[in-house]
Amino acid sequence: SQQGEEDPQALSIQEGENATMNCSYKTSINNLQWYRQNSGRGLVHLILIRSNEREKHSGRLRVTLDTSKKSSSLLITASRAADTASYFCASWGGTGANSKLTFGKGITLSVRP
Amino acid sequence: NAGVMQNPRHLVRRRGQEARLRCSPMKGHSHVYWYRQLPEEGLKFMVYLQKENIIDESGMPKERFSAEFPKEGPSILRIQQVVRGDSAAYFCASSPGQGKETQYFGPGTRLLVL
Repeated sequence: SQQGEEDPQALSIQEGENATMNCSYKTSINNLQWYRQNSGRGLVHLILIRSNEREKHSGRLRVTLDTSKKSSSLLITASRAADTASYFCASWGGTGANSKLTFGKGITLSVRP
Repeated sequence: NAGVMQNPRHLVRRRGQEARLRCSPMKGHSHVYWYRQLPEEGLKFMVYLQKENIIDESGMPKERFSAEFPKEGPSILRIQQVVRGDSAAYFCASSPGQGKETQYFGPGTRLLVL
């Protein structure tokens, strides 16, 4: 398996429900980031959590990080149809010039109106 | 303040032709990253450049692929003698400096090789 794997691979929920997406990674990281990608578009940065943080909030987003389990979760509360997109976690690891983002395969979220 | 710009947005090439993908980073950003995204996959790092320097090309195939970021003008990802397996979306991202972990992505170039 590769760095930054998300689960589930696809999630379908009703508008107003919460969506929880999980991500696992393999090597040590400096931080973990979540991005959103609408169909046919580029990625939009959502939130970054550092390796010494356990939880972070931004609007309707809540992200947690468990470095002992090498996992993170993204919670979107009170989902909206406009949240329909693919969501990727990306781990930032390495040092100096070799630092890079490693992306997972993504989770496709469908929010039914 | 314009975001990261990429052109063309769509590119069709026949096998054996060359593909040139351009990326203009955000104003004030001197670090550029290229990624490739295959259908139903996440983004795979290809190369990291600063002005006139390739910093990390560990994700780039050794053959047929090259990248540059000249002192003036956009960053170019060049694929020579394209094959069908090169069909993918190629994304460019920029950041203001090393250690700035948040990257700003362009809309991507969708390359289709016939």
